[in-house]
Amino acid sequence: EIVMAQSPLSLPVTPGEPASISCRSSQSLLHNNGYNYLHWYLQKPGQPPQLLIYLVSNRASGVPDRFSGSGSGTDFTLKISRVEAEDVGVYYCMQTLQSPGYTFGQGTKLEIK
Amino acid sequence: EVQLVQSGTEVKKPGESLKISCKGFGYNFITYWIGWVRQMPGKGLEWMGIIYPDDSDTRYSPSFEGRVTISVDKSINTAYLQWSSLKASDTAMYYCARQTSGIDYWGQGTLVTVSS
Repeated sequence: EIVMAQSPLSLPVTPGEPASISCRSSQSLLHNNGYNYLHWYLQKPGQPPQLLIYLVSNRASGVPDRFSGSGSGTDFTLKISRVEAEDVGVYYCMQTLQSPGYTFGQGTKLEIK
Repeated sequence: EVQLVQSGTEVKKPGESLKISCKGFGYNFITYWIGWVRQMPGKGLEWMGIIYPDDSDTRYSPSFEGRVTISVDKSINTAYLQWSSLKASDTAMYYCARQTSGIDYWGQGTLVTVSS
């Protein structure tokens, strides 16, 4: 099983300031088709998760451009250029390289200072 | 508009059986994998397994193999997650989700509470 490790697990941020979340995998997520199968989700309080970023760096439809993703292999990062109040919730990375047995990170709780 | 609509809240006793559902709307249901994700109270997300509606090819996470059954009725665009004998530790929110390279659409969730 591929283990996903996120850091930090808690992230207090002042509105307007940037934020960054790291996700590391126990094995490379690089498929032989050249894509890294790493995605980011946000779960707002009381809601199902929503897709933010797929295949490392592609924003899902309707996701503001203040969200960006980067990385390759085993190290990945989600960045928010300027945090807004609506960004609060728990952020998860997920790998879908190894089927069956897709796995999520533990989650990073972003809160507003 | 793509939607995954799940069945409602369930309250069951240990040892009882249960089958919850997920109906797809707004897309060609049979050509996308449907997965199930568990979220225990106050905890993170756990991927359980997926099914391909067109041929019922099913794959389980090792953590859930033998504990749940995933099935589909493609004639009514509906996927299912079932238990033959529930335990208190099955208490959780269960989400269905459409799987492409990742998960692009999620159901609203079905809360399952197992208590004597």
